[in-house]
Amino acid sequence: EAGVAQSPRYKIIEKRQSVAFWCNPISGHATLYWYQQILGQGPKLLIQFQNNGVVDDSQLPKDRFSAERLKGVDSTLKIQPAKLEDSAVYLCASSPPLGRSEKLFFGSGTQLSVL
Amino acid sequence: AQSVSQHNHHVILSEAASLELGCNYSYGGTVNLFWYVQYPGQHLQLLLKYFSGDPLVKGIKGFEAEFIKSKFSFNLRKPSVQWSDTAEYFCAVNAISNTGKLIFGQGTTLQVKP
Repeated sequence: EAGVAQSPRYKIIEKRQSVAFWCNPISGHATLYWYQQILGQGPKLLIQFQNNGVVDDSQLPKDRFSAERLKGVDSTLKIQPAKLEDSAVYLCASSPPLGRSEKLFFGSGTQLSVL
Repeated sequence: AQSVSQHNHHVILSEAASLELGCNYSYGGTVNLFWYVQYPGQHLQLLLKYFSGDPLVKGIKGFEAEFIKSKFSFNLRKPSVQWSDTAEYFCAVNAISNTGKLIFGQGTTLQVKP
């Protein structure tokens, strides 16, 4: 079974630049999550999609972060403009449609460095 | 608001030593509880989970965890660690009323010396 695919694996940008991350969840998984993991901390949920609708984006800094999941499959997360404190690993995860977070499948993440 | 606290940030053990990693959460309602592990260079993966029933749950690779509701705890244990258990361990909580939103602890780095 193919896992959650993310790209790019690494990204280095300067502050105030924009950046986008891409995620392809496991086929058939209705729920998709974007997490931010700052060094030394646990992952923090940024946004959760159920199919192509947003379920929870309460911790997404909406002045600079945006995310979409067109057609309920792939998703992109964008930061514009980036700040130094956005340096982190951005994890995408997906779970089957039965809910209850029975098991989240994580991608390898995109490591973002903002200089 | 929900929160998860892991007491140990960095643990160093010798092979064959016993392991216990503490995890406490704050939420008054019914929860699902998880331990995730991230081996060096790999992605996060599920180690074990508790939804209901027997509060002692067993996971992969000889790990187990015990849910103590009165203490809001879900500690991870392994009787005898191996060098291959070197990894970062995350406790996570999901409120039943908040399906899908996992709140993670800050993680514990386990280093097992051969």
